[in-house]
Amino acid sequence: KAGVTQTPRYLIKTRGQQVTLSCSPISGHRSVSWYQQTPGQGLQFLFEYFSETQRNKGNFPGRFSGRQFSNSRSEMNVSTLELGDSALYLCASSFDGESSGNTIYFGEGSWLTVV
Amino acid sequence: AQSVSQHNHHVILSEAASLELGCNYSYGGTVNLFWYVQYPGQHLQLLLKYFSGDPLVKGIKGFEAEFIKSKFSFNLRKPSVQWSDTAEYFCAVNAAGTYKYIFGTGTRLKVLA
Repeated sequence: KAGVTQTPRYLIKTRGQQVTLSCSPISGHRSVSWYQQTPGQGLQFLFEYFSETQRNKGNFPGRFSGRQFSNSRSEMNVSTLELGDSALYLCASSFDGESSGNTIYFGEGSWLTVV
Repeated sequence: AQSVSQHNHHVILSEAASLELGCNYSYGGTVNLFWYVQYPGQHLQLLLKYFSGDPLVKGIKGFEAEFIKSKFSFNLRKPSVQWSDTAEYFCAVNAAGTYKYIFGTGTRLKVLA
């Protein structure tokens, strides 16, 4: 069974640009969540989607947005990039059934560098 | 607000030493507790989890953790570490029924051969 797949793995953007990151969840998983990982802040929750609806949102500015498609694939977008947005962006998926106990499984992440 | 504290940021041990990594959380309701591990160059992997029942849970690679509700703690233990346990360990908590995880800042473990 393939794991969570994120693309692109590495990218460099200039301040002011926007970026779109993609995530394909584990087959059968319907919940997708996104996290930002930085050395100073650790892992911080961005948002979570289920059946194309955002169910939870973290404390990030409106420049950070996401969406989920009918096939459960998800994208996140960051507009007007700032230097502080440089981070590893992690996608995680979950089956969303009671038996799964809310366990999430992470992808390898997308490394974003803003210059 | 929920929070997770990991007291040890860097730990260095020799092989065969015992390991205990502290994790405390703050949340008044029912929580699920997790330990994730990130080996160098790899993605975050689930080490073990606690939802209910026996507060002593066993995970992969000989790791275990004990949930002490009265202390809001979920410490990770391993009786004898190996060089291959060198990694960063993250404690996480989420309120039951939600998918928002709160992570600790992580503990970098280095095991000397």
